[in-house]
Amino acid sequence: NAGVMQNPRHLVRRRGQEARLRCSPMKGHSHVYWYRQLPEEGLKFMVYLQKENIIDESGMPKERFSAEFPKEGPSILRIQQVVRGDSAAYFCASSPSRQIAEAFFGQGTRLTVV
Amino acid sequence: GNSVTQMEGPVTLSEEAFLTINCTYTATGYPSLFWYVQYPGEGLQLLLKATKADDKGSNKGFEATYRKETTSFHLEKGSVQVSDSAVYFCALSDDYKLSFGAGTTVTVRA
Repeated sequence: NAGVMQNPRHLVRRRGQEARLRCSPMKGHSHVYWYRQLPEEGLKFMVYLQKENIIDESGMPKERFSAEFPKEGPSILRIQQVVRGDSAAYFCASSPSRQIAEAFFGQGTRLTVV
Repeated sequence: GNSVTQMEGPVTLSEEAFLTINCTYTATGYPSLFWYVQYPGEGLQLLLKATKADDKGSNKGFEATYRKETTSFHLEKGSVQVSDSAVYFCALSDDYKLSFGAGTTVTVRA
């Protein structure tokens, strides 16, 4: 059973471009969480999705950021018109239930905005 | 709201030294507590967890005890190795959401 797969591992975007980050959960996991790690800080919750539904997006910036978890395919975190402040590591986790204690994290995508 | 405060780093130790990383929390209710580890260039891995007061989590020689009276979950290891060099994060869960501390960078020298 492969772990949580995130790609790309590293992503460089120019200011104003779009960034699309992918997360394939572990087999049998229908709950996905996205976290952001800014430099020198701990991880901050962004959004919680359960197949085709956004359960909690209270940690997402109100503009430019969106997330989806379609019936088929990976979860996508989309950042439109990126700015330098979006540079961070973005981690995805998946679990078979809403019990975060059962979640596994991916290796993260490091986004650099130049 | 919920929050986690952990000892600031960086921490530099010699091999076989004793490691303690302090972690205290503020929470409503009865959260579960976790320690995650992030090795260089890698993602987060769950190191250990405790789900109720007085529980002790342990893994790879690391231990932490859930102390409700002091709202603490300090991480300890009796004899560190170079391979323990990593960033350690204390966290608590509120239902499906994790709140993390800022992380403590630990470097173990041979």
